[in-house]
Amino acid sequence: AQSVSQHNHHVILSEAASLELGCNYSYGGTVNLFWYVQYPGQHLQLLLKYFSGDPLVKGIKGFEAEFIKSKFSFNLRKPSVQWSDTAEYFCAVNNHNTGKLIFGQGTTLQVKP
Amino acid sequence: NAGVTQTPKFQVLKTGQSMTLQCAQDMNHEYMSWYRQDPGMGLRLIHYSVGAGITDQGEVPNGYNVSRSTTEDFPLRLLSAAPSQTSVYFCASSSGTSGGAREFFGPGTRLTVL
Repeated sequence: AQSVSQHNHHVILSEAASLELGCNYSYGGTVNLFWYVQYPGQHLQLLLKYFSGDPLVKGIKGFEAEFIKSKFSFNLRKPSVQWSDTAEYFCAVNNHNTGKLIFGQGTTLQVKP
Repeated sequence: NAGVTQTPKFQVLKTGQSMTLQCAQDMNHEYMSWYRQDPGMGLRLIHYSVGAGITDQGEVPNGYNVSRSTTEDFPLRLLSAAPSQTSVYFCASSSGTSGGAREFFGPGTRLTVL
């Protein structure tokens, strides 16, 4: 069965620190990859997505993610976090055949000012 | 465009009661889905639909029913509510799996079952 694993459940950083959130998925076929963010009290918003082409994807608010097919990974990065990045981050994988979107468990990021 | 709308925003039920969570989208999307969000478990797919008249089960379908009589609407029915169904429910829609398709999420329904 297809699954998505996020390694870090809770991350605490100081402002200006660099961020990397891990995401691995298990599925051998063609997939689309996403990172969503949920700010406190709000619903999910798309940060970035990968469908094809350049495996380094740039999203909103300075976030980027790199798709490494051989490692089944799609890690999220940001060089310098801000207090306003405090949120919950979800990695998700969409199976081309079924259209189902499967989410990871989520990572809570807390940025201290 | 209103996007994806959900009603109600909040609901409290007693064990054994039934109710329907409403979801509608005005983007003419074929794909619609229901998720529940629980702490430490991310979002889990309950049911999904790839078009009017077609539905299928996701990861956690037990205790929930869906139907898709129109492209726009995808209601989620709780047949006999249980405390384990206390959660935040999100409806989503997308145009498919190819190209630039992505999920659009509704604002969520916070359900408490006593």
